[in-house]
Amino acid sequence: EAQVTQNPRYLITVTGKKLTVTCSQNMNHEYMSWYRQDPGLGLRQIYYSMNVEVTDKGDVPEGYKVSRKEKRNFPLILESPSPNQTSLYFCASSLQGQLNTEAFFGQGTRLTVV
Amino acid sequence: QQQVKQSPQSLIVQKGGISIINCAYENTAFDYFPWYQQFPGKGPALLIAIRPDVSEKKEGRFTISFNKSAKQFSLHIMDSQPGDSATYFCAASTSSNYQLIWGAGTKLIIKP
Repeated sequence: EAQVTQNPRYLITVTGKKLTVTCSQNMNHEYMSWYRQDPGLGLRQIYYSMNVEVTDKGDVPEGYKVSRKEKRNFPLILESPSPNQTSLYFCASSLQGQLNTEAFFGQGTRLTVV
Repeated sequence: QQQVKQSPQSLIVQKGGISIINCAYENTAFDYFPWYQQFPGKGPALLIAIRPDVSEKKEGRFTISFNKSAKQFSLHIMDSQPGDSATYFCAASTSSNYQLIWGAGTKLIIKP
């Protein structure tokens, strides 16, 4: 089954404790991205990657890191989480080509930083 | 210029009625306009999309209307059903940039 898998689904952590949210896709998609979803603000892009070893900042990259060592994986790293990073996070992937194509989303990771 | 403005923020429609959600954009370089549907506890999923070479696209009960001169596009849900209750997002992007620019979302509730 074609899917984007995020882990964990839920996470409660303390301020300053480094964490990683994993994302994996099995569709051989080149393009992957991370979003955060907050009430009234919609989806805001954190980072994106157009292929292996190529990453770039989205609209709200501060406080986050990513890496793309393999095509299928795109982990999101919070080196020193703060309460304002409490949010619902989504990973997405899509084919890259001349025409825009469908973005496939993971199930989401609800992060609470206390 | 990069924004996509979506309205209303929330919408309540009776079963069988027509639900209408509107989006407006400024960047005339946008050439792809998808709508995504999100159920609670799930990620968004593509519902329907349109390119600016057509003014309307219909898939079942869902229709996108596109007005290029007004820089607006809207989602119409005909014969709305309780199962359509979800949050709907419009978005836009250009062929040269794969970044989707998202509207703020509309929470739709269909009353039985």
